[in-house]
Amino acid sequence: QVTLRESGPALVKPTQTLTLTCTFSGFSLSTSGMSVSWIRQPPGKALEWLALLDWGDREYYNPSLRTRLTISRDISMTRVILTMTNLDPVDSGTYYCTHLKNRNFDHWGPGTLVSVSS
Amino acid sequence: KFTLTQPHSVSGSPGKSVSISCTRSSGSVASNYVQWYQQRPGSAPTTVIYEDDRRPSGVPDRFSGSVDTSSNSASLTISGLTTEDEADYYCQSYDSTTYVFGTGTKVTVL
Repeated sequence: QVTLRESGPALVKPTQTLTLTCTFSGFSLSTSGMSVSWIRQPPGKALEWLALLDWGDREYYNPSLRTRLTISRDISMTRVILTMTNLDPVDSGTYYCTHLKNRNFDHWGPGTLVSVSS
Repeated sequence: KFTLTQPHSVSGSPGKSVSISCTRSSGSVASNYVQWYQQRPGSAPTTVIYEDDRRPSGVPDRFSGSVDTSSNSASLTISGLTTEDEADYYCQSYDSTTYVFGTGTKVTVL
């Protein structure tokens, strides 16, 4: 059974760096075809894809946010980390970690709410 | 990069049908699969249609998807509306390196 859970700070100050961790189980990111992605949703607004890390350690980013994002996995191979630099209040929202299979985000974590405020 | 445009809202009476369009701004909608997600308030999205017209197990056959190349759009149809269908719905597609979500549609059951 695939499960994912996001963790990270609930409150970040403007200009600071946000680090979010996705802890997953039920699949191996080393298996061909497996990928983990981050998606966010500002309050009352639409979903926005942020970044993806695949089984070959290839990284893909939303071109609009490319310069601010880094996605990686830790040595345990059961966590994927997203780093976003230079936070602004417009970056506030719920951040989701997802499993991707055949271009479909088929499993989602419950999401973590991040507020950017001084 | 392309965009996916959806109507802001649609509504229908219980037992009736509604359709939600998802228009791709550039590139052919038929070139890459379209997925549809349902998001109820306070919850993460779940897939109701993947690969244009396939339903995950557990999704009622009242949900159906299609693609129309003449309008370069995909559609989600919900038939036999119930109050459980009240939610936000998002289409999603991709190109070689990026993923894009639609603008989202709120479905209201009158």
